[in-house]
Amino acid sequence: QQPVQSPQAVILREGEDAVINCSSSKALYSVHWYRQKHGEAPVFLMILLKGGEQKGHDKISASFNEKKQQSSLYLTASQLSYSGTYFCGTENQAGTALIFGKGTTLSVSS
Amino acid sequence: NAGVTQTPKFQVLKTGQSMTLQCAQDMNHNSMYWYRQDPGMGLRLIYYSASEGTTDKGEVPNGYNVSRLNKREFSLRLESAAPSQTSVYFCASSAVGPSWDQPQHFGDGTRLSIL
Repeated sequence: QQPVQSPQAVILREGEDAVINCSSSKALYSVHWYRQKHGEAPVFLMILLKGGEQKGHDKISASFNEKKQQSSLYLTASQLSYSGTYFCGTENQAGTALIFGKGTTLSVSS
Repeated sequence: NAGVTQTPKFQVLKTGQSMTLQCAQDMNHNSMYWYRQDPGMGLRLIYYSASEGTTDKGEVPNGYNVSRLNKREFSLRLESAAPSQTSVYFCASSAVGPSWDQPQHFGDGTRLSIL
């Protein structure tokens, strides 16, 4: 039931692009994305809702394919501040709470 | 606003000891959650409370109990700590509405070591 993220890790130079994927085995109403810096709490980035609505960050883009139960997070022209671990979250079976993937660690160097 | 406040920030316990982790939010949120984070495992849901007066099990509830004391506070109790419960524990909250529609706000975490 836990969503599956890929890749597990990405290493980039500043200015390069990355795509992080999240897939689920169940039908979804939404996908959440969070970023966590080392030693800190996860921070909300965005929610992608069934039907195309998006809430949250306006400088990071993402897609949600409801039929394939997949979402992708697009990090373009990466900056040093993009470094961290990215988690996707999807609703649990009862639709009453979020469960998260194992995370994708992004390292951006100058 | 403080947001979500967790206490303590660090704790070391001996196997078999009991402990309560405290969490309070000042955003008037309805729903509150407890997660644990272990290397390579992501955030795993322990228990959650969709509204005051209700609690439900998450993915990994064994060895834990929770209390939703009031709308602001949600505590997590380890009755008899085991080394496998060494982890970073995060509390989170979200506003009224379906959990899938509301962002979660996380506390800074409690780093718990059990010897």
